[in-house]
Amino acid sequence: DTGVSQDPRHKITKRGQNVTFRCDPISEHNRLYWYRQTLGQGPEFLTYFQNEAQLEKSRLLSDRFSAERPKGSFSTLEIQRTEQGDSAMYLCASTVEPGIGNSPLHFGNGTRLTVT
Amino acid sequence: QKEVEQNSGPLSVPEGAIASLNCTYSDRGSQSFFWYRQYSGKSPELIMFIYSNGDKEDGRFTAQLNKASQYVSLLIRDSQPSDSATYLCAVNKPDSWGKLQFGAGTQVVVTP
Repeated sequence: DTGVSQDPRHKITKRGQNVTFRCDPISEHNRLYWYRQTLGQGPEFLTYFQNEAQLEKSRLLSDRFSAERPKGSFSTLEIQRTEQGDSAMYLCASTVEPGIGNSPLHFGNGTRLTVT
Repeated sequence: QKEVEQNSGPLSVPEGAIASLNCTYSDRGSQSFFWYRQYSGKSPELIMFIYSNGDKEDGRFTAQLNKASQYVSLLIRDSQPSDSATYLCAVNKPDSWGKLQFGAGTQVVVTP
């Protein structure tokens, strides 16, 4: 399977702890996106990278959140000092940049975070 | 007003019937439209995308786009119990490829 891979699938943490999620995109894709989805809602855009550059961050991405894509391949999303409101499914998706081909987003399996 | 609106459902559909899902969007500049299917506890799975006015068919699925009226719809023909899921409509604005605006989804229940 050469789809988008996310790890871990589930994470339970106590309030105040830090957590880090990993996303491995499809290998030839230079754009990588993070979304968050809470129960009963559609996914919401958080941030995206083109190669190693983080090009946009949503207002949803508070100072406690940081995302990196150090070598333009995999990406990590870290949440510091987690709060119960951070409980959600964190989704990663990848594609090629526009102009090369308007390839729709395909999501990974997601990381479900539960903050107790 | 939300940017992308869908009826939350549930939409109950007898097996073998046609399920019709609607989605409206507020930004007239939107150019690309997507339908994702999401089973409970799973991530969204792309099932259709449409960029031009009119109909686009793929198997049992047909997407319909009307930019003048700012709506996009999805028809599921010969509905099966495996089609029971939440269907998410997503819209992409120009110059922001991949930054999708999602509706909250319509739950579809196909009854045998």
